[in-house]
Amino acid sequence: GAVVSQHPSRVICKSGTSVKIECRSLDFQATTMFWYRQFPKQSLMLMATSNEGSKATYEQGVEKDKFLINHASLTLSTLTVTSAHPEDSSFYICSARYGTADGYTFGSGTRLTVV
Amino acid sequence: DAKTTQPPSMDCAEGRAANLPCNHSTISGNEYVYWYRQIHSQGPQYIIHGLKNNETNEMASLIITEDRKSSTLILPHATLRDTAVYYCIVRPPRVAQKLVFGQGTRLTINP
Repeated sequence: GAVVSQHPSRVICKSGTSVKIECRSLDFQATTMFWYRQFPKQSLMLMATSNEGSKATYEQGVEKDKFLINHASLTLSTLTVTSAHPEDSSFYICSARYGTADGYTFGSGTRLTVV
Repeated sequence: DAKTTQPPSMDCAEGRAANLPCNHSTISGNEYVYWYRQIHSQGPQYIIHGLKNNETNEMASLIITEDRKSSTLILPHATLRDTAVYYCIVRPPRVAQKLVFGQGTRLTINP
């Protein structure tokens, strides 16, 4: 149980275009989801916390107008990278709380390459 | 959340026990110790968590010192598939808090 499905697993896009990444909780309702970014050989960096039905809370230094997060339902959160640039190329990972606050499950990640 | 310190890398022979240390000297009384691991190019995977008693599950054992200032994750019979980055995180329970990852320990299991 407590599975999070993340799509796509890999995406290549041109500079200036937008890319949407989906994160779905398959067998539970996720009131809170988290989005992370990870550069090669570095740890996960939290970008934002997404709460169903309300605006996301962004970490310091993360541009909210560039990384649009929508959490319109209890099973789906999306991250849209707008006007992507090569420096946005990274591994993006979503996470969701389930059950008690002790449970966090992660998606399999999305490898974004901007060319 | 309390800060954790882990060695950047460790090696272990296949079939042997892998012991991964974590220092959390500023841990508060209500903070739990959590361990996650991340295999290359995948999302993190939950391993185990504990408060003050030692814990064991099908994946690993967690040993927490009596003063709770440090802990050790034990993989009893490491396999090549255990090669991953292991993260030790401390945080209060039952609070809708984000998980903040440190640098972790890159564990390499050698044949």
